[in-house]
Amino acid sequence: EVQLLESGGGLAQPGGSLRLSCAASGFTFSTYAMNWVRQAPGKGLDWVSVISGSGGYTDYAEYAKGRFTISRDSSKNTLYLQMNSLRAEDTAVYYCAKGGGDSSYRNIDYWGQGTLVTVSS
Amino acid sequence: DIVVTQSPDSLAVSLGERATINCKSSQSVLYTSNNKNFLAWYQQKPGQPPKLLIYWASTRESGVPDRFSGSGSGTDFTLTISSLQAEDVAVYYCQQYYNIPFAFGGGTKVEIK
Repeated sequence: EVQLLESGGGLAQPGGSLRLSCAASGFTFSTYAMNWVRQAPGKGLDWVSVISGSGGYTDYAEYAKGRFTISRDSSKNTLYLQMNSLRAEDTAVYYCAKGGGDSSYRNIDYWGQGTLVTVSS
Repeated sequence: DIVVTQSPDSLAVSLGERATINCKSSQSVLYTSNNKNFLAWYQQKPGQPPKLLIYWASTRESGVPDRFSGSGSGTDFTLTISSLQAEDVAVYYCQQYYNIPFAFGGGTKVEIK
C-alpha cells in the first residue's frame, strides 16, 4: 500500500524558511517522479514542483523559482521541499504527491494527507 | 503557460441522475506521437486529499466505479458521473500534465439536488 506522510509544516514569519519532508513507502521510491501541490484555505489545487525519479530533473511553478527547492533522498525514501523567503500568500496545505510513472510528465496517482504551512507575523 | 478552465463552478444533481463537468485547456494537450491526452481528473471530498479518478483523459483508475467516465481530446474534455450517488458529493478537478506548470482547473463542486 502506497503511503505518503508529510511533516515540517507550521507557522513561519514572512521572509522565513521551512523545510517540508515526505516519507514514502509501499513502492519503489526511486522509480517514480514526485510532486508538491498546495491548496490555500478554501481554494483550489495549485501545482508547485516536480522531481524525476533519479532526482536529475526538477521544475517549478513560476512563483516558486528561486525561493523553493525540491529534492529527494532515495536512501531514506524521502521527498523534501525547502521553502525560503516565505510570503503570506504561501499559506496553504502542502501535499506530497506521487507521479503515475517514471516520466515527470505524468498524472498524480497518490496523495499524502498534507501539512499546513502558515506564514504570518 | 496552459490555462485550464472548468465549468460550471458548481452543480446540483438529483440522486441517480447524470452529472457532467467540462474542462477546457488553452492549448492542445494531445501528444500526437503516442496519441495520448495529458489530462487527469481528481475527486476531493471535504477534509481529504484529492483522489485520482481518470488519467490519459479517459482511462479509469483501478477501483474507481464505472459510473465515472472521461472523454474528449485536444482542448475539450468532459467528466461524466452517469448515476450520481450520495458519496459522489465532492469537488472535482481536472489537471493537464502536458506542459509545466501542470495547471489544475478551478474545480467544480457537485451537490445533491
